[in-house]
Amino acid sequence: NAGVTQTPKFQVLKTGQSMTLQCAQDMNHNSMYWYRQDPGMGLRLIYYSASEGTTDKGEVPNGYNVSRLNKREFSLRLESAAPSQTSVYFCASSEVSGSTDTQYFGPGTRLTVL
Amino acid sequence: GNSVTQMEGPVTLSEEAFLTINCTYTATGYPSLFWYVQYPGEGLQLLLKATKADDKGSNKGFEATYRKETTSFHLEKGSVQVSDSAVYFCATFSSGAGSYQLTFGKGTKLSVIP
Repeated sequence: NAGVTQTPKFQVLKTGQSMTLQCAQDMNHNSMYWYRQDPGMGLRLIYYSASEGTTDKGEVPNGYNVSRLNKREFSLRLESAAPSQTSVYFCASSEVSGSTDTQYFGPGTRLTVL
Repeated sequence: GNSVTQMEGPVTLSEEAFLTINCTYTATGYPSLFWYVQYPGEGLQLLLKATKADDKGSNKGFEATYRKETTSFHLEKGSVQVSDSAVYFCATFSSGAGSYQLTFGKGTKLSVIP
């Protein structure tokens, strides 16, 4: 039982390049989330998927797209990377998107955009 | 939406010292409250939570009580260990208009020295 896995662990991009961050969970959770973590800012929600087939914007969605490929997988795409997207990205999942549910986090992807 | 304010760090304590990390929130209604911990190089993991007023969450010697009257959820531990060195995040659950998300504080870095 690996929990939440993310690939890659590290990535360096040049401005304007595109890439997809992959996330998968093996806990049969319905809800999945993408956050970014910046120094002194805590975590901010980019997008979430309350259930398979649905996605919704979070607090900071601009410059990103997501795909809920199936129940297990939730990917985050940067179409044209910008230096402001340099950050650590975390994927998380929860059984449902209810108010008491624990979110389980992956180990993160550290992205640098030059 | 909801917001969370937690004490700024870093906090440096000697082993076996008493720990308090303050957290206050603003919210409509009575949201669930959480403390997450991030150990170096890892993703976040749930430390404890409380879902209604006067609830006390506890885990690994840490405690926090949901105080509605002061809108607070302060984290305490009676005797910290070197292994408690990590970043601690207070969070509240927000929902409304189909949106569900955790709102995090900015994090408090704790360093425990032998």
